[in-house]
Amino acid sequence: EAGVTQFPSHSVIEKGQTVTLRCDPISGHDNLYWYRRVMGKEIKFLLHFVKESKQDESGMPNNRFLAERTGGTYSTLKVQPAELEDSGVYFCASSQQKRDLGEQFFGPGTRLTVL
Amino acid sequence: AQSVTQLDSQVPVFEEAPVELRCNYSSSVSVYLFWYVQYPNQGLQLLLKYLSGSTLVKGINGFEAEFNKSQTSFHLRKPSVHISDTAEYFCAVRGFGNEKLTFGTGTRLTIIP
Repeated sequence: EAGVTQFPSHSVIEKGQTVTLRCDPISGHDNLYWYRRVMGKEIKFLLHFVKESKQDESGMPNNRFLAERTGGTYSTLKVQPAELEDSGVYFCASSQQKRDLGEQFFGPGTRLTVL
Repeated sequence: AQSVTQLDSQVPVFEEAPVELRCNYSSSVSVYLFWYVQYPNQGLQLLLKYLSGSTLVKGINGFEAEFNKSQTSFHLRKPSVHISDTAEYFCAVRGFGNEKLTFGTGTRLTIIP
């Protein structure tokens, strides 16, 4: 069974540009999460989808970030326009709809560098 | 709200020596506790978790952790480390009824041959 995949693995863009990150969860997992780690700091929650619905987006830093999960399968996270402080590693995770017991499986992350 | 403190950002240990990675948390509600490991160039992998029951939890690769409610700690231990344990270790908590994980800043474990 394939794990959580993320694309691209690395992205280097200039301030003001737009970047779109993609996450493919494990097949059959209704829950999808985005997290971010800014260098040297903790991994922080961004948002949580259940199927195509946003369950919790309390961690989204500002309106330059837009997450979508059309059809309840893969998800995209768009940053527009990117700022220097957006640099970091963006992780995606997925889990089965098993409340309180569903393990979150993480992808390898996308390393975003904004110059 | 929850928070997690991993006081040690880096821990060097000789091969075959024991190791303890410390984790303390604070929360206004009951929590589930986790340790994740990130090997170089890989994603996060679940090492072990505490949901309920016995406070001593055993995980993969010979690791174990003990939940101490009075001290709000969940320290990770291994009696004898190997070169392959070189990785970054993250402690995380999740509040009851909440899906999101709150992580610590991570501890980088370096094994000295």
